[in-house]
Amino acid sequence: LAKTTQPISMDSYEGQEVNITCSHNNIATNDYITWYQQFPSQGPRFIIQGYKTKVTNEVASLFIPADRKSSTLSLPRVSLSDTAVYYCLVGDNRWSGGYQKVTFGTGTKLQVIP
Amino acid sequence: GAVVSQHPSWVICKSGTSVKIECRSLDFQATTMFWYRQFPKQSLMLMATSNEGSKATYEQGVEKDKFLINHASLTLSTLTVTSAHPEDSSFYICSAANREASVETQYFGPGTRLLVL
Repeated sequence: LAKTTQPISMDSYEGQEVNITCSHNNIATNDYITWYQQFPSQGPRFIIQGYKTKVTNEVASLFIPADRKSSTLSLPRVSLSDTAVYYCLVGDNRWSGGYQKVTFGTGTKLQVIP
Repeated sequence: GAVVSQHPSWVICKSGTSVKIECRSLDFQATTMFWYRQFPKQSLMLMATSNEGSKATYEQGVEKDKFLINHASLTLSTLTVTSAHPEDSSFYICSAANREASVETQYFGPGTRLLVL
């Protein structure tokens, strides 16, 4: 299982773009990168998933360099409601008859300031 | 889409009793479901992997006789905490793997808060 390293915490003002980087130096060829958001006393919520280059959806963008040893979650124009813990997970998500387990790291606690 | 529910959302019980938590994938079928435990201000810790129709695979240090897992169908997995004690008080979260094209993604339930008195 690929180990991930993220900053423990980040602060940002409302309206700014926030970039959270995750390091995963021993990512395997078949591993995907998935980001989740968790609010206190709630289950993690899926944000975005990617394998390489750039992925964008309605809430975030995910940038993955060519060597795939890191990834960056970009949240455009954050609001107070984006204050949460963000987790980066790396694992083999290919459909091969059984989902492979992943390990949660410490996550990044994002505090959005008014 | 890809909604996972848990029931109950919170439970308080006396020490020595058993508690069952249900995890359902509402709009997709999940061959694999996972159970996690999360203590305050900590990350999620995987307890076991549950595959439909077969025995669960437990992580090291998790007592399989204490945390009984049953994955009876492609949309339902249950976790039973047997003879619960105060140290079992925690936030229990399940997830289900949803297959989209050739990739599977974990979707999480809202969690169940267990307090053992």
